[in-house]
Amino acid sequence: SQQGEEDPQALSIQEGENATMNCSYKTSINNLQWYRQNSGRGLVHLILIRSNEREKHSGRLRVTLDTSKKSSSLLITASRAADTASYFCATFPEAGAGSYQLTFGKGTKLSVIP
Amino acid sequence: KAGVTQTPRYLIKTRGQQVTLSCSPISGHRSVSWYQQTPGQGLQFLFEYFSETQRNKGNFPGRFSGRQFSNSRSEMNVSTLELGDSALYLCASTTRGGTNYGYTFGSGTRLTVV
Repeated sequence: SQQGEEDPQALSIQEGENATMNCSYKTSINNLQWYRQNSGRGLVHLILIRSNEREKHSGRLRVTLDTSKKSSSLLITASRAADTASYFCATFPEAGAGSYQLTFGKGTKLSVIP
Repeated sequence: KAGVTQTPRYLIKTRGQQVTLSCSPISGHRSVSWYQQTPGQGLQFLFEYFSETQRNKGNFPGRFSGRQFSNSRSEMNVSTLELGDSALYLCASTTRGGTNYGYTFGSGTRLTVV
């Protein structure tokens, strides 16, 4: 079953613009992770934010987490054509839940036009 | 260090046959998870293994099974294949199980059932 729901489902922007993707989830989490997937290949881990963190940066990536709203956002600044990919959020359940299942949303398909 | 290796990369099978997919995790990673990815259902969790023990199983029929060996390598088996089993099967590994580290994914095995 899907835990996260990304919004929008698809996003098309010009190179150099910023891209923002949102993710909502349903249950309590230990952490939330973002992944990128190029053309049906394996997923690449981008960033992990713990439930007690509100914001995290990694290079051109900025992730926020609002546990009260059960939502997260991923901002990619100064986008490049190489950022064209599908982006997924995934949640890891809180400790004590007895689950070690990383649950993915349906993803946002980002197209960056040169 | 070497990444997660999945074999084979592509597979074509006939309905009713069975198939075994293999995954070699990153050295030192003891947690291995399997996912099925289809255009309609997205990324669906199959199972997670840690130190040869299955800790979680997703909502899939008993035709889907797996195991993990003492060297952390994992296999999944699908018996009595159906057309709907056509998908990209992804394996992912992490050190202890996702609480503090992201997952490293393999490139996947694309299974086509005809």
